[in-house]
Amino acid sequence: KAGVTQTPRYLIKTRGQQVTLSCSPISGHRSVSWYQQTPGQGLQFLFEYFSETQRNKGNFPGRFSGRQFSNSRSEMNVSTLELGDSALYLCASKSTASSYEQYFGPGTRLTVT
Amino acid sequence: TQLLEQSPQFLSIQEGENLTVYCNSSSVFSSLQWYRQEPGEGPVLLVTVVTGGEVKKLKRLTFQFGDARKDSSLHITAAQPGDTGLYLCASMTTDSWGKFQFGAGTQVVVTP
Repeated sequence: KAGVTQTPRYLIKTRGQQVTLSCSPISGHRSVSWYQQTPGQGLQFLFEYFSETQRNKGNFPGRFSGRQFSNSRSEMNVSTLELGDSALYLCASKSTASSYEQYFGPGTRLTVT
Repeated sequence: TQLLEQSPQFLSIQEGENLTVYCNSSSVFSSLQWYRQEPGEGPVLLVTVVTGGEVKKLKRLTFQFGDARKDSSLHITAAQPGDTGLYLCASMTTDSWGKFQFGAGTQVVVTP
């Protein structure tokens, strides 16, 4: 079974721009979560989607948004990029909303200049 | 909010030595996961423990879940350079089912 895939793997953007990241979960998994990882803050939860609905949300500003499609693929959007948004953005999928185990993709390394 | 505290932050050992990393919380865990992450990659799930007192073994890795489900440890026997990585513990939050929180991680470096 193919793992979680994320595109693109690397991205360089300028302050003020917006960016969209994509995640394809493991086949059959319906829950997708997004995380931001930085050296200073570690892994921080952004949001979770299940069956196209946002179930949980972390403490991030409204510039961070996401959506999930009927095929469970998910996108994350960050508008008006700031230097502090530079991070590794990770997507994780679970088979169900209540599953304990989540599987991560390789991440998208976003650099904001 | 339940906080996961990991210790030590950094561990550097020689190949063949043993090591233990810890994950603690002031609150009870519903479950606990351990991950290993290599630079530039996503975390890889190693194990999930659910029952207090549970012990799981994965080759040279031994995972323990405290009886009170407030602490967990990961022990590596005869460490190898391939064990190098960031070890993270994670737990589903008690206030919102499906939402996970992570410890800050323990960076392990095993030198030949």
